[in-house]
Amino acid sequence: KQEVTQIPAALSVPEGENLVLNCSFTDSAIYNLQWFRQDPGKGLTSLLLIQSSQREQTSGRLNASLDKSSGRSTLYIAASQPGDSATYLCAVRIGGSSNTGKLIFGQGTTLQVKP
Amino acid sequence: DVKVTQSSRYLVKRTGEKVFLECVQDMDHENMFWYRQDPGLGLRLIYFSYDVKMKEKGDIPEGYSVSREKKERFSLILESASTNQTSMYLCASSPFDAGRSYEQYFGPGTRLTVT
Repeated sequence: KQEVTQIPAALSVPEGENLVLNCSFTDSAIYNLQWFRQDPGKGLTSLLLIQSSQREQTSGRLNASLDKSSGRSTLYIAASQPGDSATYLCAVRIGGSSNTGKLIFGQGTTLQVKP
Repeated sequence: DVKVTQSSRYLVKRTGEKVFLECVQDMDHENMFWYRQDPGLGLRLIYFSYDVKMKEKGDIPEGYSVSREKKERFSLILESASTNQTSMYLCASSPFDAGRSYEQYFGPGTRLTVT
């Protein structure tokens, strides 16, 4: 059974710091991995999608890497800002009984960036 | 941009009531999903649909049913609401994808309280 773990559960850093969020999964048979951001009481916003054949994806100050063989992904945030404060979720897409597959989510890392 | 909307941001219902949560997407996506999100348990898949009138159970379907009469609309139904169904409900959609490489797009969520 696929399990996704995110460590740490919470992180507090001063503004301007570069930081890394970690995501690990137990079964390397994934189709892709997606990083999301969730603000308190809101829905999920997709940040980056890495296909199983890719090693990394970049968007602005965000860089996500994927090492399928070791079951790990990292989300790197450069020059953090108070507006980056949110919960970050990773999810892996696995096969299912239909054509859709399904997402398995980690519990998230809650990030606070202090001014 | 993909847009997924949910009929209510906040909803308060009484135990035993029949509750309808509506989700609409405007990108002609074949796949639609309903999740619930609870502290400590993360996001869990309730039901999904890969075509009009087609549905499959997710990980926690008990106490719920769904309806998809039109491609753009996916409804989650609580036949007889109970207090343990108090939660944040999130809808998502994605294109048909036999390669399972597309990302899922989420709505803003509905915070349901059952008293």
